[in-house]
Amino acid sequence: GAVVSQHPSWVICKSGTSVKIECRSLDFQATTMFWYRQFPKQSLMLMATSNEGSKATYEQGVEKDKFLINHASLTLSTLTVTSAHPEDSSFYICSALTSSGRTYNEQFFGPGTRLTVL
Amino acid sequence: SQQGEEDPQALSIQEGENATMNCSYKTSINNLQWYRQNSGRGLVHLILIRSNEREKHSGRLRVTLDTSKKSSSLLITASRAADTASYFCATGGGTSYGKLTFGQGTILTVHP
Repeated sequence: GAVVSQHPSWVICKSGTSVKIECRSLDFQATTMFWYRQFPKQSLMLMATSNEGSKATYEQGVEKDKFLINHASLTLSTLTVTSAHPEDSSFYICSALTSSGRTYNEQFFGPGTRLTVL
Repeated sequence: SQQGEEDPQALSIQEGENATMNCSYKTSINNLQWYRQNSGRGLVHLILIRSNEREKHSGRLRVTLDTSKKSSSLLITASRAADTASYFCATGGGTSYGKLTFGQGTILTVHP
């Protein structure tokens, strides 16, 4: 099956710093990737849709200037949390969309990145 | 926003028993998917059922979909301790190609 990786798997940073999280599709090309945030014991909340070669589309309530998304290639999307604060501490998960006929609309998820802001 | 609601929120059973989780949604869909998440890990895709399908099987998993009631169920038969995880339904389709909306999830604990 398709494999999606994330790096780093966990990061601890000081308040006010910026953190970049990478999401890579390892064995397929993904024109569309998604970024989710998950708080403890809660479900996944979609933050934004990342499209290769164009600007990301953000969900309502998500600050685009705080969560910068760059989808520079068909296999890589990055999420940068700028000026991170403790309330940004969360589990960030990306997914990549594969549109093969057999697995219509199926997303493959990365293993997630645990961000802790001190 | 989360349109899916799942029940129960938590389910505790003994190994060998069956586990049934339900999911309801509000808007029209093209498909509904079930995912599994082990604690602190990413999601694993379990099964996708299209809006024109009523039932689908995969190994010990059985998924049903009732579009008239806007609901779906996931049945895990002969559960194992390794099935302990959170299970989420996710709906996709309509005008939002590729986007998934997740339910609140069911935390399943299977006791050996």
